[in-house]
Amino acid sequence: SAVISQKPSRDICQRGTSLTIQCQVDSQVTMMFWYRQQPGQSLTLIATANQGSEATYESGFVIDKFPISRPNLTFSTLTVSNMSPEDSSIYLCSVARDRENEQFFGPGTRLTVL
Amino acid sequence: AQSVSQHNHHVILSEAASLELGCNYSYGGTVNLFWYVQYPGQHLQLLLKYFSGDPLVKGIKGFEAEFIKSKFSFNLRKPSVQWSDTAEYFCAVTPYGNNRLAFGKGNQVVVIP
Repeated sequence: SAVISQKPSRDICQRGTSLTIQCQVDSQVTMMFWYRQQPGQSLTLIATANQGSEATYESGFVIDKFPISRPNLTFSTLTVSNMSPEDSSIYLCSVARDRENEQFFGPGTRLTVL
Repeated sequence: AQSVSQHNHHVILSEAASLELGCNYSYGGTVNLFWYVQYPGQHLQLLLKYFSGDPLVKGIKGFEAEFIKSKFSFNLRKPSVQWSDTAEYFCAVTPYGNNRLAFGKGNQVVVIP
């Protein structure tokens, strides 16, 4: 398994602002992902964070709204831009050693947008 | 794109009762299947997984799941639950060789002592 930390653990933000969430892993991993869990909903994959290149976004998610960085094999950030109350969710980072292995999840960042 | 269905979102049962949670997926190709659990106040943890081989998979804490390919199902079972099994359980699927997980809506299980 991998030990994953996320910062911040929670935040309350004003409409129109942006928040950057950090994900740190204790060892190098090939795959890193970002998910969203809206209130009362299941987890939805936002994007795959690719090291050294642009993230791969799922349908319904765009880079302008959710820019992602992955400068190395242990760290990634997700920014939620120009926030609205609809962005209130838990945002989770996950990692996998490679395509053939299971994902391990971080503790999540609980975001509330007023 | 694949999708995952979990029924009976809220399940309440007494200790020592048996638990079965249904999971059906829609995807025509080879898949990898997972059950994740989230205990109150904790983060998501892997309960068990199926990649290939024996379709009856045993996981942690006495849980098991059976993959029935013809029914596109991966149901989770535990013969005798404990109060500590109170948690939310998520079924997830990904096409073989592709880590992009699709999750079901989850089952909120409450075990009464």
